[in-house]
Amino acid sequence: RKEVEQDPGPFNVPEGATVAFNCTYSNSASQSFFWYRQDCRKEPKLLMSVYSSGNEDGRFTAQLNRASQYISLLIRDSKLSDSATYLCVVNDGRYNKLIFGAGTRLAVHP
Amino acid sequence: NAGVTQTPKFQVLKTGQSMTLQCAQDMNHNSMYWYRQDPGMGLRLIYYSASEGTTDKGEVPNGYNVSRLNKREFSLRLESAAPSQTSVYFCASSEPGLAGFIGELFFGEGSRLTVL
Repeated sequence: RKEVEQDPGPFNVPEGATVAFNCTYSNSASQSFFWYRQDCRKEPKLLMSVYSSGNEDGRFTAQLNRASQYISLLIRDSKLSDSATYLCVVNDGRYNKLIFGAGTRLAVHP
Repeated sequence: NAGVTQTPKFQVLKTGQSMTLQCAQDMNHNSMYWYRQDPGMGLRLIYYSASEGTTDKGEVPNGYNVSRLNKREFSLRLESAAPSQTSVYFCASSEPGLAGFIGELFFGEGSRLTVL
């Protein structure tokens, strides 16, 4: 079983749609959780950290379920510019090692 | 702001050749990392350096060596390149986040390496 698993997609959605990505992780000792965004042939960039209470940043909402070892990312009112690969990232319980999921690709069309 | 700078951006090697990927950051971060990214796989950690003067192996260190030259620079060396090392390599740096756990990673633009 992979340490961090994501549905690879692609998710093809029209502009304005709401789309949700899920991610599961295997290490119950993980303490920090993130969503990164990676545009085609570019470097990953932090989209948002994920906190236990859940957090929202504009159209983006992230949630964490520690009991089920599950993280989600919800994007509302999708824009063409949201087209990218979304990477679920979890630490392995140690301070300086992050485990990256393979990513979920999103394509937003007019 | 430069952030994290990697060179070269592209390189083609023949099997058995050696090369060094250079990385420098101007954010005064203590921690630096080298990752590789292959199609269908997440980024995998090759080596990291928690602070100047220290380096540690990550998930996939075989075939690589690193040097933390100073606080700014962290280089990755392939001593004898193999086709399995064809990949996109990313350097990153960070400072601790909440409760001392790893914080935001800042990545370089990547180095695309092909080994024939």
